[in-house]
Amino acid sequence: AQSVSQHNHHVILSEAASLELGCNYSYGGTVNLFWYVQYPGQHLQLLLKYFSGDPLVKGIKGFEAEFIKSKFSFNLRKPSVQWSDTAEYFCAVNGGSGYSTLTFGKGTMLLVSP
Amino acid sequence: NAGVMQNPRHLVRRRGQEARLRCSPMKGHSHVYWYRQLPEEGLKFMVYLQKENIIDESGMPKERFSAEFPKEGPSILRIQQVVRGDSAAYFCASSSKETQYFGPGTRLLVL
Repeated sequence: AQSVSQHNHHVILSEAASLELGCNYSYGGTVNLFWYVQYPGQHLQLLLKYFSGDPLVKGIKGFEAEFIKSKFSFNLRKPSVQWSDTAEYFCAVNGGSGYSTLTFGKGTMLLVSP
Repeated sequence: NAGVMQNPRHLVRRRGQEARLRCSPMKGHSHVYWYRQLPEEGLKFMVYLQKENIIDESGMPKERFSAEFPKEGPSILRIQQVVRGDSAAYFCASSSKETQYFGPGTRLLVL
């Protein structure tokens, strides 16, 4: 069975600090990897995704993530956070072939103080 | 290009009543997924449907919950005889390929 582990439940940063959110997954095959963001009171929005190719993926709003296959990891990074990045971040995985359901981590709540 | 639509956005029910949640997928998408988000938890998969077919319902509780995606109209998640533990945010997603796009969710509160 697939599982996704996000290392931190809450992260508090000051504006301009660098961000790295950890995500590890367990799955016995080819995977697609995703990061979604949920701003307060809003629905999930896709930040970025990895299917294949370059393991360093760039997404929207200055976010990027690196797929390290040997570590089963897909950590999310941003060099300099803004107050508007305050949100909950979810890592998710599904099987790499065709349509399949997403398995989500429990989420990391990021609070950026101005 | 409208995104995934869900209604109602908020739903209040008393214990024992029925809840009906609707989801209209993005234009051109024929695959719909339902997820439930409990407080302090990530999203948990419930059911995956294509038009007129349930593909995977392994995440659905065996009793009181049902889902459909008819040939015409939105997908509907139906919860009969709701209990307080059903209070959660229910999200629908649609896809045409591997990427799922989410709707705004329906927040169900059971009194």
